[in-house]
Amino acid sequence: AQSVSQHNHHVILSEAASLELGCNYSYGGTVNLFWYVQYPGQHLQLLLKYFSGDPLVKGIKGFEAEFIKSKFSFNLRKPSVQWSDTAEYFCAVNTNQAGTALIFGKGTTLSVSS
Amino acid sequence: DVKVTQSSRYLVKRTGEKVFLECVQDMDHENMFWYRQDPGLGLRLIYFSYDVKMKEKGDIPEGYSVSREKKERFSLILESASTNQTSMYLCASSFGPRGGELFFGEGSRLTVL
Repeated sequence: AQSVSQHNHHVILSEAASLELGCNYSYGGTVNLFWYVQYPGQHLQLLLKYFSGDPLVKGIKGFEAEFIKSKFSFNLRKPSVQWSDTAEYFCAVNTNQAGTALIFGKGTTLSVSS
Repeated sequence: DVKVTQSSRYLVKRTGEKVFLECVQDMDHENMFWYRQDPGLGLRLIYFSYDVKMKEKGDIPEGYSVSREKKERFSLILESASTNQTSMYLCASSFGPRGGELFFGEGSRLTVL
């Protein structure tokens, strides 16, 4: 069965610092990849997604992620974080096959101090 | 905008009670999902459905059942609630045979005493 691994459970940064959150998945076939964000007290919303094409994907609020197939990775990056980026971030993958569901990692909590 | 509505934001139930969590989506999505979210464990898939009257077990189906009689509605049922089912329950929907982006509801926080 496929699985998703997020390396960092809790990341603490100061404003303007750069961010990189790691995500690896275990599946050898074609995948769709996602990053979701959950701000305090809010529902999950999509940050960005990768289906095919350019492996560098740009999302909302200045986030981007790079798909490296050889490393089974889809790391999330942002050059300069803001206090408002404080949230929980989830990486997710599905196998692009009919009748399959999105599998999530355990999440990374990002705390940004001003 | 896609809207996924979960009927109850907060519920408190007693051990052994039967619990119904309702979810309705308004975008004619084929696929609907129930996850539970627990601190440190992320989102775990309970059940999903890719068509009316169809259901598939996720990673943690034990103690749960689901019903999808209409395309827009997907219900999660706890036949006999237990304290270890205290959690945040998230409903989501998506379009197309291969899923893709999920749209989430606000969540239902269930406490079982």
